[in-house]
Amino acid sequence: ETGVTQSPTHLIKTRGQQVTLRCSSQSGHNTVSWYQQALGQGPQFIFQYYREEENGRGNFPPRFSGLQFPNYSSELNVNALELDDSALYLCASSLGPPGAQETQYFGPGTRLLVL
Amino acid sequence: QQPVQSPQAVILREGEDAVINCSSSKALYSVHWYRQKHGEAPVFLMILLKGGEQMRHEKISASFNEKKQQSSLYLTASQLSYSGTYFCGTDSLNAGGTSYGKLTFGQGTILTVHP
Repeated sequence: ETGVTQSPTHLIKTRGQQVTLRCSSQSGHNTVSWYQQALGQGPQFIFQYYREEENGRGNFPPRFSGLQFPNYSSELNVNALELDDSALYLCASSLGPPGAQETQYFGPGTRLLVL
Repeated sequence: QQPVQSPQAVILREGEDAVINCSSSKALYSVHWYRQKHGEAPVFLMILLKGGEQMRHEKISASFNEKKQQSSLYLTASQLSYSGTYFCGTDSLNAGGTSYGKLTFGQGTILTVHP
């Protein structure tokens, strides 16, 4: 148990729809990163938030957006869903600021299927 | 660009040893190792820092060669519980000599340990 929870666990959407995935970090963890993990691949960095500000973004289009809230929860929003967005979405939180080289604690993920 | 892991898969009998390699084309600040079991979140194993020492977690150890931009994970006297997919995540050096603070993961190495 890492103390990081995600909801929902599974989700089925159709192409063109919008989705919001939620993550609840450990209390006090100011940094949260979101990853997309396709089947058989390593996690791919989507973006990172530190104290409610975006602090870096991977190679994902603007239809992937996020928010981080003062209560250590965060959201990943994806608009105009495409078939290729089908994947496991993971959030990971850490205590210190980005670059502090601390353990990232991963949640169990949300498995999204886009039909 | 993501780091390259080798081998892609390895099959062991209990008690045997294995080495998993991670190689990057970029100058690295740190390497993070995770293990992921099927259907579960990645679990942190260890972090190796630029200029740091070889790390050890029980019978698992790792090294980091900064000049070659490579890291290796050594699994000694493997146990059934070691089965899973191992990922290295690399944090690259920026122009200021510090880290970007985000991880780029390799494609993973599938380790299977049989009785």
